[in-house]
Amino acid sequence: DIQMTQSPSSLYMSVGDRVTITCRASQNIDSYLNWYQQKPGRAPKLLIYAAASLQSGVPSRFSGSGSGSDFTLTISSLQPEDFATYYCQQSYRTPFTFGQGTKLEIK
Amino acid sequence: EVQLVESGGSLVKPGGSLRLSCAASTFTFSTYTMSWVRQAPGKGLEWVSSITSTSSDIYYADSARGRFTISRDNAKNSLYLQMNSLRAEDTAIYYCARYSSSFWGFDPWGQGTLVTVSS
Repeated sequence: DIQMTQSPSSLYMSVGDRVTITCRASQNIDSYLNWYQQKPGRAPKLLIYAAASLQSGVPSRFSGSGSGSDFTLTISSLQPEDFATYYCQQSYRTPFTFGQGTKLEIK
Repeated sequence: EVQLVESGGSLVKPGGSLRLSCAASTFTFSTYTMSWVRQAPGKGLEWVSSITSTSSDIYYADSARGRFTISRDNAKNSLYLQMNSLRAEDTAIYYCARYSSSFWGFDPWGQGTLVTVSS
């Protein structure tokens, strides 16, 4: 199975900060990497697909980059509604696997 | 707006069975691969199973293989997950999600249904 490792596990940031979350795959996954946002009590929401493509309706302050085994999610200027948990997920092969999550909290 | 609505979650004893359903609307259900993803209380996301549009290909996580069966009824725009031999570690919110082969991601997700396995 492909292991997905996110870092950090939690982040304490302020509104307006720039945030970077990293995700590393245990092997090459090309660009088969997605990012999801999950707020408490809600279902996950797709933000970024194919490593760097912004899903329709997602604000442009979100961006993704990387290929192979190293990926990043960047939020250019944190907004109050961005405090949530973020997951990466590989679609290179089954079993599809998720990172353990990064919880973004208000400082 | 694309909508996925899960149902069927409940409290069940270890060793018991449960059938989850997911009703899809506002998209051409029969053309999409569909999946189940679960989340144990306070934990991360775990992919459970996927089924292609015509049911020709089915995939399971190791934790589900041999106990869970995914199926679909395209005439009813519905996805199912039959869960047998349930264990305490199957306790989770189970989400139905559409998988797009255009961008290889799960979008959208239903609101989830809670399965609790406890004596």
